[in-house]
This record gives sequence, structure tokens and C-alpha cells, in this order.
Amino acid sequence: DGGITQSPKYLFRKEGQNVTLSCEQNLNHDAMYWYRQDPGQGLRLIYYSQIVNDFQKGDIAEGYSVSREKKESFPLTVTSAQKNPTAFYLCASSQGHYSNQPQHFGDGTRLSIL
Amino acid sequence: QQPVQSPQAVILREGEDAVINCSSSKALYSVHWYRQKHGEAPVFLMILLKGGEQKGHDKISASFNEKKQQSSLYLTASQLSYSGTYFCGTWNNDMRFGAGTRLTVKP
Repeated sequence: DGGITQSPKYLFRKEGQNVTLSCEQNLNHDAMYWYRQDPGQGLRLIYYSQIVNDFQKGDIAEGYSVSREKKESFPLTVTSAQKNPTAFYLCASSQGHYSNQPQHFGDGTRLSIL
Repeated sequence: QQPVQSPQAVILREGEDAVINCSSSKALYSVHWYRQKHGEAPVFLMILLKGGEQKGHDKISASFNEKKQQSSLYLTASQLSYSGTYFCGTWNNDMRFGAGTRLTVKP
């Protein structure tokens, strides 16, 4: 079955530490996205990528970094510069970065500070 | 800029109807609707494209008024399984999601 796999499901970060969240898709989708969700709030766009080796900042990119070296993979690094990283992180993909393409989401990673 | 959803929360009895609204200050190419159960990933419901179309899926339908930059989601004869948080996503070069509407359906 095709889908999006995020790992780990839960992640704990120490002060001053960088952590990387994994996102892999086998849907052969070109576009991939990272969102942050805080309790009781909507999804805020961190970064997105339309094709391999290309990505754009979303609304809240500060303190985060991404790479897109392979079509199926779009890892997100939460750096020590992100002072309030505790949140639910969702990865999504779509066939293309177009207005008529639905986004398919992974099950998310919950990140907490130790 | 994120779209505005209303109401923030609604509680229904099984069989009752509900309307969730989504409005944007920007011109829109499309509106997407998703439902998220607690602790789970959002699940795609439907997309509405420019043209004022109305779409339906079982007893859930939606409309899109591009001139007013508004969309509404209609839930008819609600079922327990409809409970969750509904998000609209508006598209103008990229996607922006509203804060969500928490829908609770009680027996």
C-alpha cells in the first residue's frame, strides 16, 4: 500500500540539540510539505518542496532546515535555534504543487523538550 | 495569511445538521477540506475549484464562492463518526490552513 511514513512517532530533544524527523513517501509524488501543529491550532507551513533539490520556506521556517535529495524523502531538522519546538509535526505530499491536488498526510511526530 | 473558520466548536446530537464556514482575505484558486481525529493525521475530504462548484461525499457537501472568497462545509444527518476537527485549506500559490472547527457528535 502506498503512503507516507513518518518516524519516530515520539521524539525528545535536549537543550542545544538538533533533531531530525524522517518523512518517506512511496506515492511517487513530486511535492512534499512540513507542517507544525500546536494544541488547538491549525497547521502552519514550515517548508515545502516541489521537486528534488528544491525547497521553499513557509510561514515559520526559522529554526528549521530541510533537504530533498531524493524524491521519496523530505527530512526536517529542528535546530537548537528553534526555542519552542514542542509540537506535533506533520509531513504531507501531493502529486504536484497545484491547487487541484489533495495532500496526503503521514501519522505525525510528536516532539517534546526534555 | 491563514483563512478564518467559524464556529470554533460545535456540539451536535446524532442526526442533526451543521455548517462550517471558511473565509479568506485573499483571492483563492481552490479550497480543500480535511478532517482530523484526535492524535491522528488529517484526512482529505474534498477539493473545490474556482467556478462556484458544489461537491458532495455521502452526507457531507461543500460550496465555494470565489467572489466572496468563502467556502462552507455542510454535514447532514450527522453520525458519531463525523466527530473530529475540520480544517479548511485555501490555495493561493500555496496552502494555508484555518485553525479548525471541533465537531462533537453525541448519541
